[in-house]
Amino acid sequence: QKEVEQDPGPLSVPEGAIVSLNCTYSNSAFQYFMWYRQYSRKGPELLMYTYSSGNKEDGRFTAQVDKSSKYISLFIRDSQPSDSATYLCAMIYGAGNMLTFGGGTRLMVKP
Amino acid sequence: DSGVTQTPKHLITATGQRVTLRCSPRSGDLSVYWYQQSLDQGLQFLIQYYNGEERAKGNILERFSAQQFPDLHSELNLSSLELGDSALYFCASSGGGRSEQYFGPGTRLTVT
Repeated sequence: QKEVEQDPGPLSVPEGAIVSLNCTYSNSAFQYFMWYRQYSRKGPELLMYTYSSGNKEDGRFTAQVDKSSKYISLFIRDSQPSDSATYLCAMIYGAGNMLTFGGGTRLMVKP
Repeated sequence: DSGVTQTPKHLITATGQRVTLRCSPRSGDLSVYWYQQSLDQGLQFLIQYYNGEERAKGNILERFSAQQFPDLHSELNLSSLELGDSALYFCASSGGGRSEQYFGPGTRLTVT
């Protein structure tokens, strides 16, 4: 079993929809949680970064962490075709450590 | 633009050959991480350097090695290349005691 599980998709939604992307993890030692967006096998781009349970909002993006359930989510409001990409969740024990990634979810937003 | 640069963008080489991938971290970042992304394995951590010293190793093959130089740029050396080494290789950097890692654009390696 992988340390971080993520539904690979693809997830197809119409433009303007609310998108929910999720990851579960098994190791409670993970303390910091990140979401990356990756276009067409380009370099992963850091979208959101959280370290505590609860919600963090940045524009159309909301990251949610539930450490008790070992479950994290990324919500995208008013999705746009330009949001079409692969979204990767990543976790880390602490600063200066390696990232452990989920397998990524491919999102397609149709006009 | 993350501020992390990688060269070359694309490498095509034959089995058995050796290649060197180069990474320059964001200004001020002391940590450099190398990751491999293949279709079947996803993003996997290879090795980390901090201010010139090896800090951590992941699932890095013995045929692979890395180093970080005094100017903080890093090189990943891949030798005796096999078809299965074809992948995207990313480097990331972090600094200031923070956990966030910023990725470069990657090097696409094709072994024929």
